[in-house]
Amino acid sequence: NAGVTQTPKFRILKIGQSMTLQCTQDMNHNYMYWYRQDPGMGLKLIYYSVGAGITDKGEVPNGYNVSRSTTEDFPLRLELAAPSQTSVYFCASRTYRGGENSPLHFGNGTRLTVT
Amino acid sequence: QQQVKQSPQSLIVQKGGIPIINCAYENTAFDYFPWYQQFPGKGPALLIAIRPDVSEKKEGRFTISFNKSAKQFSLHIMDSQPGDSATYFCAATTSGTYKYIFGTGTRLKVLA
Repeated sequence: NAGVTQTPKFRILKIGQSMTLQCTQDMNHNYMYWYRQDPGMGLKLIYYSVGAGITDKGEVPNGYNVSRSTTEDFPLRLELAAPSQTSVYFCASRTYRGGENSPLHFGNGTRLTVT
Repeated sequence: QQQVKQSPQSLIVQKGGIPIINCAYENTAFDYFPWYQQFPGKGPALLIAIRPDVSEKKEGRFTISFNKSAKQFSLHIMDSQPGDSATYFCAATTSGTYKYIFGTGTRLKVLA
């Protein structure tokens, strides 16, 4: 089991460029999440999905878009990158079985710098 | 009201010490409180969790204390080791909402 795989690990973007952060999981988890982590700010939820075809906004969705066409994949799209989007991005998944007792499984993150 | 406030931001203890990390919340609808541990370059991983119907939960050297009336909970690490050096996040969620609210994190360093 690979768990949650994120690509790329690092990326530098110029202001105004676009990119897609990839996330795939092989655990057949229904729920998937995108968080950003900034120093001293903790983890902020960007978007989440409870199943293929269903997505919803989290705390900080502006400047991002997501799609969930399959159970396995949950890509995060940045349009018109801005310096404020410099952050470490984490994708996570969890199963619906066990309710809230089922833990979030995180990928190892994508470190994005926008200059 | 959706916030979870975590303190301290950083903590340094000697090996064998008992670091304590505190979290407070306002939303009384929260009913599940996990703690996540993150090592450098890795994603967070679940360490231990508690529900508000118990006041304490232990798993190995890690203990959560929960004070429902004060809306506070804390993580204690007994006999801390250098390998415990990591960032710790508290979190909270409400059953059926799917969303977890995380605290701002505590960077712990345990000196050998």
